[in-house]
Amino acid sequence: EVQLLESGGGLVQSGGSLRLSCAASGFTFNNYAMSWVRQAPGKGLEWVSAISGSGGSTYYADSVKGRFTISRDNSKNTLYLQMNSLRAGDTAIYYCAKIHSDYSAFDIWGLGTMVTVSS
Amino acid sequence: SYDLTQPLSVSVALGQTASITCGGNNIGSKNVHWYQQKPGQAPVLVIYRDSNRPSGIPERFSGSNSGNTATLTISRAQAGDEADYYCQVWDSSSYVFGTGTKVTVL
Repeated sequence: EVQLLESGGGLVQSGGSLRLSCAASGFTFNNYAMSWVRQAPGKGLEWVSAISGSGGSTYYADSVKGRFTISRDNSKNTLYLQMNSLRAGDTAIYYCAKIHSDYSAFDIWGLGTMVTVSS
Repeated sequence: SYDLTQPLSVSVALGQTASITCGGNNIGSKNVHWYQQKPGQAPVLVIYRDSNRPSGIPERFSGSNSGNTATLTISRAQAGDEADYYCQVWDSSSYVFGTGTKVTVL
């Protein structure tokens, strides 16, 4: 069964850092690009960052560029998101998502992990 | 940046047809994907590449895309279709989501 399981969320003060992890199983992890998508409480979906299967290419939303870093360890089937200089506006559920190989859609999603930034 | 506009809400009577629009500049030239999100759950892909259904998605869900508008259609609406729906495209090295539409089944 294809599965994504996020961890690492929690409560952090404004200006602090947090690292999220996403453990993948049930598919050949290094064959697929992966992404992080977030959702603030009561709000819509917002794409955060994406990374190619090899890890050689990374993409960021303007709202997190320079503060967040996406990475992956294909030997551990794990995706990461290092979040620095956190702000109240970063408070959200963070979802890990698998990107389909043939088209630019998120075909598998994790359950999400909550990040709360207190001011 | 590329913007995708959806109606805030759509209501549909049980068993009838609901149409959810997604407006964007020349969106017909892009691949549009649609997600369903029920309260407290992660999103689920229901339509990819304008009009294709992933395995396990009922035939009642269909999509189209032309000009400046993409449309998700839910036929024979059921109570279980109540959810938020989001369109999404890839543009200029970014993934873009629509503003989201809440579908209520009456």
